Amino acid sequence: DAKTTQPTSMDCAEGRAANLPCNHSTISGNEYVYWYRQIHSQGPQYIIHGLKNNETNEMASLIITEDRKSSTLILPHATLRDTAVYYCIVRALNYGGATNKLIFGTGTLLAVQP
Amino acid sequence: ETGVTQSPTHLIKTRGQQVTLRCSSQSGHNTVSWYQQALGQGPQFIFQYYREEENGRGNFPPRFSGLQFPNYSSELNVNALELDDSALYLCASSSPRVRANGYTFGSGTRLTVV
Repeated sequence: DAKTTQPTSMDCAEGRAANLPCNHSTISGNEYVYWYRQIHSQGPQYIIHGLKNNETNEMASLIITEDRKSSTLILPHATLRDTAVYYCIVRALNYGGATNKLIFGTGTLLAVQP
Repeated sequence: ETGVTQSPTHLIKTRGQQVTLRCSSQSGHNTVSWYQQALGQGPQFIFQYYREEENGRGNFPPRFSGLQFPNYSSELNVNALELDDSALYLCASSSPRVRANGYTFGSGTRLTVV
């Protein structure tokens, strides 16, 4: 079972920031928070990940609370092309090649409105 | 660099038949995972291959099997197809040396069992 809970759906106006919340109250100390998104009829796309510090890349920012029990993905200026299902996943890193599967929940459907 | 490619993109099979789906991993990636995504659900982990050996399996019956080849490409085989096997099948590749084990997904094969 997924170790995260997310709202089923959210709306956002084009050009505004989209803030997608995720709860992961049972996260372990060695688990990272990952975000992927899936645009209709495509495979999931990696967005960002973090352990305990806030992270930013060209796609998004990730804010993780100090107790690490929740996080927020921020798309600073949402466009229509950001309409997708966003998945929040917690997983430990494994550099030995052993399985480190992604456990997906049902995600949040973000609808960006013109 | 090339991404993950899957073939075919769409497939229709009859209940009881067998099917083989193919995946070419991203250049430099030696780990391949397969996921099944039913309509409206998140992807579910089937199994993972690393250096031509299965090193992790999800809750799927033995009629789901796979192979990984020396060039790291992979096949997913499903025997005795059932109607519930209708889904999007996703292949993802990774490498322990890649940024935080980030997975790159293909666009999937849409399998319909009638």
